[in-house]
This record gives sequence, C-alpha cells and structure tokens, in this order.
Amino acid sequence: GDSVTQMEGPVTLSEEAFLTINCTYTATGYPSLFWYVQYPGEGLQLLLKATKADDKGSNKGFEATYRKETTSFHLEKGSVQVSDSAVYFCALSWSLNKFYFGSGTKLNVKP
Amino acid sequence: DGGITQSPKYLFRKEGQNVTLSCEQNLNHDAMYWYRQDPGQGLRLIYYSQIVNDFQKGDIAEGYSVSREKKESFPLTVTSAQKNPTAFYLCASSMGKGGVTEAFFGQGTRLTVV
Repeated sequence: GDSVTQMEGPVTLSEEAFLTINCTYTATGYPSLFWYVQYPGEGLQLLLKATKADDKGSNKGFEATYRKETTSFHLEKGSVQVSDSAVYFCALSWSLNKFYFGSGTKLNVKP
Repeated sequence: DGGITQSPKYLFRKEGQNVTLSCEQNLNHDAMYWYRQDPGQGLRLIYYSQIVNDFQKGDIAEGYSVSREKKESFPLTVTSAQKNPTAFYLCASSMGKGGVTEAFFGQGTRLTVV
C-alpha cells in the first residue's frame, strides 16, 4: 500500500546550518507530494508541494524536488533559523484524495 | 477569512462518557478528514468523507463515529468504546473531486479523558 518514510529525529542544528530531512515514498500511482510543518500545540501548515516528477516546491527558503526515479522528496534549507524549530511531515496524496503522512521529524535549531 | 475551525481547543471528559469534537470549514471543500496524533508520533486517519452524506473508515476507526450532514461540518464523536481516547485530534479538508490539492488543517482539539 501507499506509505511515506521519513528520517527519524530529533535533528539538532546550529543557526545558519544546512538542513536536509529525507523522505521516500511508496505509491501505486504518481502522487502529489507535500511537506507540512507543525509548531507546538498547533495544526499542520502546508510548507510546499510538488504535483509531478521533477517539480520543485519552494517556500520560505525551503525546497524539495520530486524525484520519481528514487521515489524521494527530500526537504532542504540552506540556512536554518531558530524560528524553523518545529516538526516537519512529509505526505503524499493522489486521485482518491487520501493523504498519507510520515511519522514526522522534529527539528531543533540552537542559537 | 476562509479556514477550518475546530472547537474546543481543550476538552476534558470523564472515562465512559461520549464526547463530540466540532469541525467547521468555509473553504467550500468537498473532502474532510479526522486524524489522531499521539505525543511524538505521526498522524493516523480515523475517518474521511469525500462528499456530503458519505464517509469511510480510516485506519483506526474503532471507537469513533462521524456524520456529514452538511458540506461545511464534519463532527467526530469519541465513544466510550475507544480504549485510549486521550490524544490531539486534527480535522482537515481538501478540494476533493479527484483533483489533488493540499489538505488544510484546523488548530486541533486536545482531548483528555480522566
């Protein structure tokens, strides 16, 4: 069945460090891929998305590229800030509109 | 402003009581979802609805019930049959109708059963 696997956390970085959070997926079709961010005690907010192979989603300095050949959608940011500390979820969805979420990766950014 | 409203934000109930969590959206979305999140864990799908008067069980539907009588509303009832109901509950919606768009989430309801 469809599933999403993302790297376990927590990930701890110093401010201005480079961030990569790995995400791979298993799907029977060609899903849309998403990254969501969750701050403590809140719901999830869409960070970026990509709907087809080789698409690059970007927002607020974060980027992710839809790689069909490696079934991956890794999240990257060149220089993290303390305010980026949160939990990040990778997700997929396709025509049936069911969303599958990874287990989440907690990011801690230290000043 | 368009969005999803969950209420209340915090809810306390005694063991053995049923409780209903509210979810309302004004985005004109067809699809709505309920997820459960436990501390340090990901989201697990409880129920989802693609259209009014229709809904399907997700991965952990036992002990929960829903209704979808109106497009904008998708209440979740946590029944006394749910063995471990204390959790953070998230409601979401998406455009539906085969066009994949992102899911929009409410702010969540934290349910504590004592």
